[in-house]
This record gives sequence, structure tokens and C-alpha cells, in this order.
Amino acid sequence: DAGVIQSPRHEVTEMGQEVTLRCKPISGHNSLFWYRQTMMRGLELLIYFNNNVPIDDSGMPEDRFSAKMPNASFSTLKIQPSEPRDSAVYFCASSSGTSGSVKNIQYFGAGTRLSVL
Amino acid sequence: AQTVTQSQPEMSVQEAETVTLSCTYDTSESDYYLFWYKQPPSRQMILVIRQEAYKQQNATENRFSVNFQKAAKSFSLKISDSQLGDAAMYFCAYSGNKLVFGAGTILRVKS
Repeated sequence: DAGVIQSPRHEVTEMGQEVTLRCKPISGHNSLFWYRQTMMRGLELLIYFNNNVPIDDSGMPEDRFSAKMPNASFSTLKIQPSEPRDSAVYFCASSSGTSGSVKNIQYFGAGTRLSVL
Repeated sequence: AQTVTQSQPEMSVQEAETVTLSCTYDTSESDYYLFWYKQPPSRQMILVIRQEAYKQQNATENRFSVNFQKAAKSFSLKISDSQLGDAAMYFCAYSGNKLVFGAGTILRVKS
């Protein structure tokens, strides 16, 4: 299995630009998670989907952030407009299980390092 | 809200020696899971070990084992026979209705 695939690996953009991060979960997994990692705040859960439906988006920092999962094999996290404080590493993770809950093992992608200048 | 505390920002261990990383958590839930993840410089998050709260037996995975003290809400990770490849950031994580990570402990392995 190829694992969770994220693209791009690195993204550098200017303040005010739209940024789209992409994630392909492990085939057969029914839950997908987006995390943000910064030095100041550590790893934070932004949103998670179960069977392509957003279950908990309470971690999404503000309206500039949006996430979609149009099908079981693809998800995007969009930031519009981007700001320098959005600079972080963004991880996508997926898991499987009958409960589809966060109690199942999550497998992480390699992350996208975002720099907003 | 659930919280996870890793009180050791950084630890060092001599190659082939044993090291223990500490983790405590706070929760009012009775059903939950605990995890240790490893993040090497490549930044890939790798699952090291998982413990179900309802199991009294401590989880073991080769050189990695945990000391799970449910009443004390403590979940430490012991690494035996440390290897250079064990050098990484280690995160303790609590999973109830959400996965919550601790701040991490940097582990350095000396040759």
C-alpha cells in the first residue's frame, strides 16, 4: 500500500493568495483527518471526515479555512486568503474501522510544509 | 476537555541503554485509547504503540513497551536497547472523542 499521500510536499506563497493542500487516504479507509503542526501550538486537529461527511470541524481556525472530501479517495484543505500565521506543517491522516471513530489507528501522510510570506 | 502533558521537552540516552518517556493525561471518559507516535527528522508520523484503556495488560511492541497506570492517568513509554534510529520527537496522544497530542519529547541517542 502506498500509504497516505499528500501534495505538495512544500508550498511557498504570498499573503493573500489561495492555497490548496491535497490528500489521498489509504484505500479502504473510511475516516480522514487534517492536522496542523506549529512550534507554538503543537499538533492540532482541524477537521475530520467519516464516510466523506465532515463530523467535527471545531478545530478549523476561521472561515478562511475550508475542507472538502468529494469522494473516498480525495480530500482538500483550502486557505483563502492565506496569511503569514498560517505557516505550518499540515498533515492528513486516515483510519479504518467499524466505528469510524478517532479510536482507530491513524496513518499519517508526510505532511505539507506551508510558508506564507 | 482532555489534555495530554509531556513534562520532558528533551531526553538523551546512550546507545543500547534504556530510556523512559513520561506522559500524563486528564479525562473524565472511561473508554479511550492511548498512543505513542514517533516523528523523525523526515517529519513522517509513525505509530509506535497503542494501548486500550480497558486492558490492564501493558502493550509491548518489540523494544517498546508502556507502563499504563489508569488510576494515575499515566502512560509512559520505555525504549529498551536504544538505537541511533530511535532518535526522534515522540508524541503521546489520547483518543476519546478526539485525538489530542502532547507537546512532544525530543529523544537524542548518543553513540
